[in-house]
Amino acid sequence: AQSVTQPDIHITVSEGASLELRCNYSYGATPYLFWYVQSPGQGLQLLLKYFSGDTLVQGIKGFEAEFKRSQSSFNLRKPSVHWSDAAEYFCAVARGGSGNTGKLIFGQGTTLQVKP
Amino acid sequence: DAGVTQSPTHLIKTRGQQVTLRCSPKSGHDTVSWYQQALGQGPQFIFQYYEEEERQRGNFPDRFSGHQFPNYSSELNVNALLLGDSALYLCASTFAGSNQPQHFGDGTRLSIL
Repeated sequence: AQSVTQPDIHITVSEGASLELRCNYSYGATPYLFWYVQSPGQGLQLLLKYFSGDTLVQGIKGFEAEFKRSQSSFNLRKPSVHWSDAAEYFCAVARGGSGNTGKLIFGQGTTLQVKP
Repeated sequence: DAGVTQSPTHLIKTRGQQVTLRCSPKSGHDTVSWYQQALGQGPQFIFQYYEEEERQRGNFPDRFSGHQFPNYSSELNVNALLLGDSALYLCASTFAGSNQPQHFGDGTRLSIL
């Protein structure tokens, strides 16, 4: 069965420190991969996506993610965290080739807290 | 340009009742998907509508049904509400066949007493 695992439920980093959020997936073929962010009381905002090509993907707000097929991972990184980055982060997968309408399978989420 | 709008923002119902949630997609979008997000969990796919038909469905019982109108807006209906239906219900829209990602609304918070 397809699944997404985000091993870290809660992460706390200091403002200005680097960040890495982990995501592992289980899928029969190379899926489409996504990272979304959710602020309290709000919907999901897409940070970045991987469909094919360069395995290092740049997104909005200074985030990047790297697809590693051998490790079935798609970890999210940011070199310097800002207090406004505190939020819930979700990794998601969709069937490869499903275009932009494939159903998204989400991980459980990682809550990011930023210390001043 | 309005994004995805959902109504109402909050709703309180009791067990056994029925509820209808509404979603207006982002301008230019023709495909609407619904997700259920329980507290502390990631969203789970309920179903997707395109050309007024249900195109994909997740693992949800028949109590969950939907509709898409000619103007692409959509409704999610849930019958015989259970306590476990308490959740944030998210709507996402996109334009099929484009490179546009799915845009999410802010959701409807449904509480069952």
